[in-house]
Amino acid sequence: AQKITQTQPGMFVQEKEAVTLDCTYDTSDPSYGLFWYKQPSSGEMIFLIYQGSYDQQNATEGRYSLNFQKARKSANLVISASQLGDSAMYFCAMRETGNTPLVFGKGTRLSVIA
Amino acid sequence: DGGITQSPKYLFRKEGQNVTLSCEQNLNHDAMYWYRQDPGQGLRLIYYSQIVNDFQKGDIAEGYSVSREKKESFPLTVTSAQKNPTAFYLCASSSRESPYEQYFGPGTRLTVT
Repeated sequence: AQKITQTQPGMFVQEKEAVTLDCTYDTSDPSYGLFWYKQPSSGEMIFLIYQGSYDQQNATEGRYSLNFQKARKSANLVISASQLGDSAMYFCAMRETGNTPLVFGKGTRLSVIA
Repeated sequence: DGGITQSPKYLFRKEGQNVTLSCEQNLNHDAMYWYRQDPGQGLRLIYYSQIVNDFQKGDIAEGYSVSREKKESFPLTVTSAQKNPTAFYLCASSSRESPYEQYFGPGTRLTVT
């Protein structure tokens, strides 16, 4: 069975600093995808970044990068140059082979301090 | 604009009443999903459908029902059997051709008193 673990319920970061949000996963399927979403207080789920299990390089999207360590089953999100607007809940999720449902972690609440 | 719409944004009901939450997508996606989110928690899967006229239970299907008569639509009914229906409900969709994407609707916040 799939499982996603986010061990940091809350994180604080100074504006303009980088921050790493942790995510570990567990699956027996060799083919899977890892996702990160941002959820501001409005409730919408905003897709940030995706990493496929066979991708050789770490995914990057602007200020977001995914530190993918396959052997450790780790998929940490790195946000560089934090902005006040980055304050939100962040969810790590995984999908196994095919068009199957995403399984989510419990999330990390990030607060960016001026 | 392509996307997923959920209506209404806020919904209030009395205990004992069934209520149906709407979810429509114009992305031509095959699969649609319903998730429930409680305060400070992650998303839990209620039901999903990978094809018209077929759907599967998720982790917390008890007290909910769905239908998938059209590709674009996947309504969720919260029945009176659902013990704690007050929550934030999110609908999502994805395509078989693009498994690296999953789009979400804006959500419906249901309050039952």
